[in-house]
Amino acid sequence: QVQLQQSGAELTKPGSSVKISCKASGYTFTSYDISWIKQRPGQALEWIGAINPGSGGTGYNEKFKGKATLTVDKSSSTAFMQLSSLTPEDTAVYYCARLDYGYTNEYYFDYWGQGVMVTVSS
Amino acid sequence: EIVLTQSPTTIAASPGEKVTITCRASSSVSYMYWYQQKSGASPKLWIYDTSKLASGVPNRFSGSGSGTSYSLTINTMETEDAATYYCQQWSSTPPTFGGGTKLELK
Repeated sequence: QVQLQQSGAELTKPGSSVKISCKASGYTFTSYDISWIKQRPGQALEWIGAINPGSGGTGYNEKFKGKATLTVDKSSSTAFMQLSSLTPEDTAVYYCARLDYGYTNEYYFDYWGQGVMVTVSS
Repeated sequence: EIVLTQSPTTIAASPGEKVTITCRASSSVSYMYWYQQKSGASPKLWIYDTSKLASGVPNRFSGSGSGTSYSLTINTMETEDAATYYCQQWSSTPPTFGGGTKLELK
């Protein structure tokens, strides 16, 4: 079965960086793009960006350019997201999600990781 | 970017009751997607391509709509349906989500 296993919670200081992971299993890793999504309490889910594990090609929400960097390691079927110059506003749960699409050719998020809580506090 | 506005923000329903959640888009979208999220868990794909139920979703759920107005309906509320539901579009990049509708058991 498809699974996306994310790394554990992070407690970091303002101005620092953090790198979280998302290990995929149960399907061919290079056949589906992976997206990252931010969820702050009481706020709407926000799309950060997506990466094609086969080519390494990326697309970002303008809002997160310079904040997030997406990479993959095909050998371990793992996607990574690095968040830099952290501020308290980056405190959130971050999800990875697999992208799929139907005959409509519109993408949607069909499987999600369990989420990683990133807390930025001095 | 396209803004999705869900209503109501919170709703309480009794078992057996019919429930409708609405999602309005700031510009026309071709399809709508819905996710269910229970407390402390990650979102799950619930409805895709506006009206298709994801695997394992009970057929008391349905989705409909077009243009700027979409809805998710539960024909007869069950206790397990209490959750937060989010709509999402990707007719335009970046994909965006609605603010969520919290469905509570009355």
